[in-house]
Amino acid sequence: AQKVTQAQTEISVVEKEDVTLDCVYETRDTTYYLFWYKQPPSGELVFLIRRNSFDEQNEISGRYSWNFQKSTSSFNFTITASQVVDSAVYFCALSHYGQNFVFGPGTRLSVLP
Amino acid sequence: DVKVTQSSRYLVKRTGEKVFLECVQDMDHENMFWYRQDPGLGLRLIYFSYDVKMKEKGDIPEGYSVSREKKERFSLILESASTNQTSMYLCASSSTGGDYNSPLHFGNGTRLTVT
Repeated sequence: AQKVTQAQTEISVVEKEDVTLDCVYETRDTTYYLFWYKQPPSGELVFLIRRNSFDEQNEISGRYSWNFQKSTSSFNFTITASQVVDSAVYFCALSHYGQNFVFGPGTRLSVLP
Repeated sequence: DVKVTQSSRYLVKRTGEKVFLECVQDMDHENMFWYRQDPGLGLRLIYFSYDVKMKEKGDIPEGYSVSREKKERFSLILESASTNQTSMYLCASSSTGGDYNSPLHFGNGTRLTVT
């Protein structure tokens, strides 16, 4: 069975702090994809990144970076120099063949001015 | 950009009513999904469809049905609404093509309240 755990229910930081959102997954598949989505207060989930199980390279996109470690089944997301606009619920998700995405419970991030 | 449109942002219905939630996507995506989102539970898959007139049960299909008569439209039906179906409902679509793991594209969601 596939499962995604996001142990942090809510995180609060002050603007300009760095923050890391944790994601741990379980799967028996050797080929799988991991995703991060952002859900701002408007409600629409926005796709941030996709990573396949064979590519453990870390990725950086502006203030966002992702650390994928197969050895610990983790796919963590770091926001550097956080901003108020980063306030949202963030979801980590796992997919095998794109027809059943398993989502974690989400982490609510509040960035205070 | 992909556009997934859900017909209603907020709905209030009475227990026992038949409820239709509509979703339309404009990118010719093969796959369409219905999720419900509840606090602390994340998103749970209700049904998905990978082709017109095809449907597959997700993790929590009880009390729901779906219809996909046209490729761009995927409807979720609550046959007899109950209070435990009060939730946020999210529609999503994705492309298959040569990539079975293309990301989901979501609509804005429909917040349904059943009284």
